[in-house]
Amino acid sequence: DQQVKQNSPSLSVQEGRISILNCDYTNSMFDYFLWYKKYPAEGPTFLISISSIKDKNEDGRFTVFLNKSAKHLSLHIVPSQPGDSAVYFCAASGVRGGKLIFGQGTELSVKP
Amino acid sequence: DAGVIQSPRHEVTEMGQEVTLRCKPISGHNSLFWYRQTMMRGLELLIYFNNNVPIDDSGMPEDRFSAKMPNASFSTLKIQPSEPRDSAVYFCASSFSSSDYGYTFGSGTRLTVV
Repeated sequence: DQQVKQNSPSLSVQEGRISILNCDYTNSMFDYFLWYKKYPAEGPTFLISISSIKDKNEDGRFTVFLNKSAKHLSLHIVPSQPGDSAVYFCAASGVRGGKLIFGQGTELSVKP
Repeated sequence: DAGVIQSPRHEVTEMGQEVTLRCKPISGHNSLFWYRQTMMRGLELLIYFNNNVPIDDSGMPEDRFSAKMPNASFSTLKIQPSEPRDSAVYFCASSFSSSDYGYTFGSGTRLTVV
């Protein structure tokens, strides 16, 4: 049972445009959501997080939106850069610092 | 800090052999997690420890898998006997409870069982 789902295995975007990565979850007990970025041959690295009391969190070019009623979150990257090309994982947890359940990942390719 | 250190980086072994993966978490972190990455299921949590105690091992696929954390600076994940379907990248991660920044992952061990 996949509690966190990323339905798009890949996404291709032109440099300078917006990248939107989507994630859905099924467990209403999830309270804390994170996005990780992964380059080949490296471990995932933390990118941005949001708690369920918010619906938006912004950090530079990266913004995460949370729609609790739809059990959906998205990551917006504006403007996209070639260095953003990586696999992006969304993750969810019932408590901050608790175990994270990850989605399958979306591979983003930003074309120059 | 050198981050989370995993060894070996790559492991190729024959079916039926025992495999041991090692992890050194970040000093001061009190939680340690073992994940497996596959194309179909993404990052799956296998087991996690808090203060060296196993808290949740429900993700361990079967009895062939075992994990230990004898002290705060070392953990192992063992597969005995290994099978070709165990081939994957295994990640170790550590965190400090209640951190806003999630986990810090190691670089992973790519396991190939032939």
